[in-house]
Amino acid sequence: AQTVTQSQPEMSVQEAETVTLSCTYDTSESDYYLFWYKQPPSRQMILVIRQEAYKQQNATENRFSVNFQKAAKSFSLKISDSQLGDAAMYFCAYKNNAGNMLTFGGGTRLMVKP
Amino acid sequence: EADIYQTPRYLVIGTGKKITLECSQTMGHDKMYWYQQDPGMELHLIHYSYGVNSTEKGDLSSESTVSRIRTEHFPLTLESARPSHTSQYLCASSESQSREPQHFGDGTRLSIL
Repeated sequence: AQTVTQSQPEMSVQEAETVTLSCTYDTSESDYYLFWYKQPPSRQMILVIRQEAYKQQNATENRFSVNFQKAAKSFSLKISDSQLGDAAMYFCAYKNNAGNMLTFGGGTRLMVKP
Repeated sequence: EADIYQTPRYLVIGTGKKITLECSQTMGHDKMYWYQQDPGMELHLIHYSYGVNSTEKGDLSSESTVSRIRTEHFPLTLESARPSHTSQYLCASSESQSREPQHFGDGTRLSIL
């Protein structure tokens, strides 16, 4: 079974600074998908960024980028120029190519200091 | 923004009551999911559906049941609520291709007294 581990229960960053959230996963599959989701307090969980395992190039979405290290089974999220609105729970998630279900990590609570 | 809706947003109710949590999506997605999430914790899949008349249990055992009579509708029912059912319930949907992400509703925060 796949597992996803987020080793940082909480992180804080100063507004306008850069922060990196860690995620590692365990799988024997070679083809799969990785996602970062953001869940603000009492609000909808939304997709931040996704990465296909067969792509070597790291995904980027505006201020959000990933460092995907397939051999190390690592998928970290970098948030540049942090904003107050970035404060939320961030979940890393894994889905294999054949499956339909997401396996979530335990989440990292990100606090942004003004 | 995803078009997936959950009602109610909040529900406080007594033990033994029958509860139905509603979830609807207007995107025509075949796949739908129910997750249970305690505050600040990870999500656990409790039910999923690949399409009409298809339902499966997820990784986390749950006393709830689901039905999928229409593509857009995936309600979750608790026949007799207990305090241990207190949690947040999130509904999600996705397109059929594996690469497609799941889109989540706002969730229902359920408290059983």
